[in-house]
Amino acid sequence: EAQVTQNPRYLITVTGKKLTVTCSQNMNHEYMSWYRQDPGLGLRQIYYSMNVEVTDKGDVPEGYKVSRKEKRNFPLILESPSPNQTSLYFCASSRTGASYGYTFGSGTRLTVV
Amino acid sequence: GQNIDQPTEMTATEGAIVQINCTYQTSGFNGLFWYQQHAGEAPTFLSYNVLDGLEEKGRFSSFLSRSKGYSYLLLKELQMKDSASYLCAVRDGSAGNMLTFGGGTRLMVKP
Repeated sequence: EAQVTQNPRYLITVTGKKLTVTCSQNMNHEYMSWYRQDPGLGLRQIYYSMNVEVTDKGDVPEGYKVSRKEKRNFPLILESPSPNQTSLYFCASSRTGASYGYTFGSGTRLTVV
Repeated sequence: GQNIDQPTEMTATEGAIVQINCTYQTSGFNGLFWYQQHAGEAPTFLSYNVLDGLEEKGRFSSFLSRSKGYSYLLLKELQMKDSASYLCAVRDGSAGNMLTFGGGTRLMVKP
């Protein structure tokens, strides 16, 4: 089944403790992206990647890191999480080309206390 | 940058028709998408418009006017399961074909 897989689905952590949210897609998509979703603010892009070893900042990159060492994986790293990073996170992938929409992962609900 | 506006909430009756509007401003328009998102779940693709006009897909239709920076999503024969948020997203060709989302319209369908 073609899908984007995120892990974990739920995570509660403490301020300052490094964490990684994994994202993997099995559709051979070139483009991958991370979004966070907060009430009243909608989906905001954190980072995106056009292909392996090519990453770029989205609208809200502060406090996050990403890497794209393989085409299928695009992990999101929070080196020192803070409470304002409590949010619902989505990974998405697509083929390059304007007509292709995103396929989203199931989401990761992160709480930082 | 981009600016995408859509109403925050709408209410409609089962069996009726509802139109959800979206206006946008972008420097490098390269397509507009509509997604449906049920609470706590991932967004799912509904429609794509890049040329002016109406795209119909079953009970859902989407319209685009590039000159007006305007789109709408039309839902016919509303069902209770259509209660969800509807997200308008614009692709910017001058920004790596990045998708920028509006805040979403929460639609409540009542019996």
